[in-house]
Amino acid sequence: DIQMTQSPSSLSASVGDRVTITCRASQSISNSLNWYQQRPGKAPKLLIYAASNLQSGVPSRFSGSASGTDFTLIISSLQPEDFATYYCQQSYNTPWTFGQGAKVEIK
Amino acid sequence: EVQLVESGGGLVQPGGSLRLSCAASGFTFSKYSMNWVRQAPGKGLEWVSYISSDSTNIHYADSVKGRFTISRDNAKNSLYLQMNSLSDEDTAIYYCVRISYNYVLYYFDFWGQGTLVTVSS
Repeated sequence: DIQMTQSPSSLSASVGDRVTITCRASQSISNSLNWYQQRPGKAPKLLIYAASNLQSGVPSRFSGSASGTDFTLIISSLQPEDFATYYCQQSYNTPWTFGQGAKVEIK
Repeated sequence: EVQLVESGGGLVQPGGSLRLSCAASGFTFSKYSMNWVRQAPGKGLEWVSYISSDSTNIHYADSVKGRFTISRDNAKNSLYLQMNSLSDEDTAIYYCVRISYNYVLYYFDFWGQGTLVTVSS
């Protein structure tokens, strides 16, 4: 199975900060990497698909990039509604696997 | 508007069975592959099972293989998960998830609100 490792597992940030979350795959997955946001008590929501494609309706402050087996989610200017947990997920092959999550908290 | 509404969750004893349902609306259900994804209390996301649009292709996570069965009824716009031999490790919120794809890249673009399954004596 492909292991997905996110870092950091949690971070504290202020409104307006630039936030970077990294996800590393245990093997090459091409650009088969998706990012999801989960607010407390809610279902996950797709943010980015295929490493860098912004899902329709998602604010442009979210962006994704890839370099080899390393993937990055960037929030350019953190907003109050962005405090949540973020998961990466590989769709290269089954079993499709998620990272352990990165919780973004208010500083 | 795409809607996925799960039902069928509840409290079940270890070794018991439960059948989850997901009612889909707002899109052509028969054209989409579907998933079940679960989340144990306070834990991360775990993919459970996949079914193609015409039910010809099915996959399971090793943790549920041989105990869970995914199925769908395109005439009823519904997805199902039959869960047998349940253990406390199956306690989780179960999400019904639509799959879309970009060329050969798959992604989970719509999620239901989830249904809670609790396995306990």
